[in-house]
Amino acid sequence: DVKVTQSSRYLVKRTGEKVFLECVQDMDHENMFWYRQDPGLGLRLIYFSYDVKMKEKGDIPEGYSVSREKKERFSLILESASTNQTSMYLCASTGPRGKLFFGSGTQLSVL
Amino acid sequence: AQTVTQSQPEMSVQEAETVTLSCTYDTSESDYYLFWYKQPPSRQMILVIRQEAYKQQNATENRFSVNFQKAAKSFSLKISDSQLGDAAMYFCAYRSPLTGNQFYFGTGTSLTVIP
Repeated sequence: DVKVTQSSRYLVKRTGEKVFLECVQDMDHENMFWYRQDPGLGLRLIYFSYDVKMKEKGDIPEGYSVSREKKERFSLILESASTNQTSMYLCASTGPRGKLFFGSGTQLSVL
Repeated sequence: AQTVTQSQPEMSVQEAETVTLSCTYDTSESDYYLFWYKQPPSRQMILVIRQEAYKQQNATENRFSVNFQKAAKSFSLKISDSQLGDAAMYFCAYRSPLTGNQFYFGTGTSLTVIP
């Protein structure tokens, strides 16, 4: 079965901390995405990557960076977490016929 | 960027009845893909149905079907014989093959199924 794994389901961090959200897919997909989900705003694209070491900004990249050193792993980094980054974060990758496969999400709370 | 609009934040349906969720999108592209995703309380996003813009025939997956109106840029989801397990947030999504295969999502419709 297709699998996209996010390392944490719930995470609580303090303002100013550096936060790493990890995502691993086992399907040899080239494209990987990080979304942020907030009530009433749907899913908003933070960054995506179409190959190892390649990255593209999405609609809301400010305050975030990403890393893709290996094809299967796509990390989202919050350099200095702020309270307005409290949200649900979803990782996804695209498979055959362009379908998006999602991880189960990380609910991040920044206090 | 393409925009996807879901004008119904919340909908409800009686069990075994039919409900239609609406979605419109804005694009200047002629070739693209449209999707409906379901997010139950578990938060796991699940693909419900997919439509290629070049296909005139509406996609169908068991009790789920779409009404794709390309000229009107409309892509509604019909759920027949609604079941309690259909209760979820539903997101309409547009995929652009021209902008790095980015997906654009609507704001979602929360569907309640009444026993």
